[in-house]
Amino acid sequence: GAGVSQTPSNKVTEKGKYVELRCDPISGHTALYWYRQSLGQGPEFLIYFQGTGAADDSGLPNDRFFAVRPEGSVSTLKIQRTERGDSAVYLCASSSQPAVNTGELFFGEGSRLTVL
Amino acid sequence: AQSVTQLGSHVSVSEGALVLLRCNYSSSVPPYLFWYVQYPNQGLQLLLKYTSAATLVKGINGFEAEFKKSETSFHLTKPSAHMSDAAEYFCAVSENSGAGSYQLTFGKGTKLSVIP
Repeated sequence: GAGVSQTPSNKVTEKGKYVELRCDPISGHTALYWYRQSLGQGPEFLIYFQGTGAADDSGLPNDRFFAVRPEGSVSTLKIQRTERGDSAVYLCASSSQPAVNTGELFFGEGSRLTVL
Repeated sequence: AQSVTQLGSHVSVSEGALVLLRCNYSSSVPPYLFWYVQYPNQGLQLLLKYTSAATLVKGINGFEAEFKKSETSFHLTKPSAHMSDAAEYFCAVSENSGAGSYQLTFGKGTKLSVIP
């Protein structure tokens, strides 16, 4: 597709369950980012991929959060043993090589996660 | 770490009135600065960016912003508000994450309402 695609758009789960959120970046974009947006807050950085490797995962809140990008395109954010505090909109963004150097990102519509 | 402060979580203006959304940043080096807009149920969209060229930056939909280093500000303006401008606006600063990428740090956002 033309833009960043995220699935599911909405996910409701129970506390303690495992969740996977998928991101399909713009074709040809080598850089991929995950952000989390809680209610009333701006997006907060989670992890950055350059190609297949996680170049910066300093924003992941704890070891329940993990992300992969095995073929350098689609990425999956994985959350184990979900907690109510994980409820948020998870945003994926990608950028091309020049834009990476200025921080200009192209965002998907997000996956809204609700943990009951 | 750099930070962004957006004054006013909510701003209301009358249709046709001036829009002024405030953003101040902290940075020890010349930053890259951005304004993103988020319409209801849509992803973040780049409105405009400052990347050390002209200090007055023009963006889409008639918006512009002026980089003022002495005030560490990057306020967003539009001379005449339109109903379609109702959205949430995020100011962001780009900082080198040290991992070969520039990571965006966002403000908390300002929700703009336009009154007919």
